[in-house]
Amino acid sequence: KQEVTQIPAALSVPEGENLVLNCSFTDSAIYNLQWFRQDPGKGLTSLLLIQSSQREQTSGRLNASLDKSSGRSTLYIAASQPGDSATYLCASAGGTSYGKLTFGQGTILTVHP
Amino acid sequence: EAQVTQNPRYLITVTGKKLTVTCSQNMNHEYMSWYRQDPGLGLRQIYYSMNVEVTDKGDVPEGYKVSRKEKRNFPLILESPSPNQTSLYFCASSLTSGHPYEQYFGPGTRLTVT
Repeated sequence: KQEVTQIPAALSVPEGENLVLNCSFTDSAIYNLQWFRQDPGKGLTSLLLIQSSQREQTSGRLNASLDKSSGRSTLYIAASQPGDSATYLCASAGGTSYGKLTFGQGTILTVHP
Repeated sequence: EAQVTQNPRYLITVTGKKLTVTCSQNMNHEYMSWYRQDPGLGLRQIYYSMNVEVTDKGDVPEGYKVSRKEKRNFPLILESPSPNQTSLYFCASSLTSGHPYEQYFGPGTRLTVT
């Protein structure tokens, strides 16, 4: 059974810092790895999706990498802003069935001015 | 506007009273899925559907039923709700060509079972 772990569970940084969020998974037979953002009381917003054949994806100040062999993905946020404060979740698709998604518990990010 | 809608957004009910949470998407997506989110347990997949009339269990299907008779709708049915089904529920959809692509989430349904 796929297990997805995110470290750290919470992170507080001053505005302007570059930061890295980590996601690890136990079963490397994944189809893709997706990063989401969730604001309090809201649904999830997709940030980046990396297909299993890809190594990284970029969108603006966000860069996500994928290393299937080591079972790791990282989300890099450049020049963090208070508006980046949210919970960040990663999810892997695949394993026993490509329809199954397994989520990590999330990293709660606070960027203070 | 491309979106996933869920109804109701908030629901308080009593143990044993059957209920349905509806989910609809207007993006012609093949794949749809239901999740529940609980403090300390994160998001867990309940059921998913790769296309019309094709459904499969996620990690926590017990106590839930789904059906996919039309491409746009994927209702979640609780035949006899119990207090341990109190949770925040999300529906999601995506295109698929063999496996799910980017997932689009609905706004969530907060269910309380007393």
